[in-house]
Amino acid sequence: NAGVTQTPKFRVLKTGQSMTLLCAQDMNHEYMYWYRQDPGMGLRLIHYSVGEGTTAKGEVPDGYNVSRLKKQNFLLGLESAAPSQTSVYFCASSLFFPTNEKLFFGSGTQLSVL
Amino acid sequence: EDKVVQSPLSLVVHEGDTVTLNCSYEVTNFRSLLWYKQEKKAPTFLFMLTSSGIEKKSGRLSSILDKKELFSILNITATQTGDSAVYLCAVGLNKLIFGTGTRLQVFP
Repeated sequence: NAGVTQTPKFRVLKTGQSMTLLCAQDMNHEYMYWYRQDPGMGLRLIHYSVGEGTTAKGEVPDGYNVSRLKKQNFLLGLESAAPSQTSVYFCASSLFFPTNEKLFFGSGTQLSVL
Repeated sequence: EDKVVQSPLSLVVHEGDTVTLNCSYEVTNFRSLLWYKQEKKAPTFLFMLTSSGIEKKSGRLSSILDKKELFSILNITATQTGDSAVYLCAVGLNKLIFGTGTRLQVFP
């Protein structure tokens, strides 16, 4: 049972580099989310998607872009990485509204920007 | 601005103690409140609360919601070292807003 899979698990970038985090879910969920987690800050929503081809901004969207070209995949892009983007990134999905059902989380990506 | 506040930020107890974790919220759109437990990696689901005054229980854990006063509590009785984790509260409608969490440490 794969559930929600994030790749890569770890990454180190230099300031200004770009990268894409991939999230894949095999549960046919409509909703997908990207969160970041920093010490003492809890989980903060970056972007989310309510279905294939849709995206919306969350609490902290600046410096990130997302795409949901296929229902099962949700990509998070950093065009020009900054040290402030050093964080643990979690992808999550839910069948419909997240407050009707629990979120399923991926195992996280530890990103360091030097 | 939507806000979810958890208290205390950190708690240290001995095995067998009972703990109460608090979550208060101010959000524009509310449908339910969820509790998650986060150990090393991804948060795992504990409870979803939508109605006031109805207690949800799972073993030694229980939770209740007060929609009038806009808060929820999570109780853990007879704590064990395996309960050591960060406990997260989240509220919202079509997107979840998380609190900063309460870090619980249970020592033998």
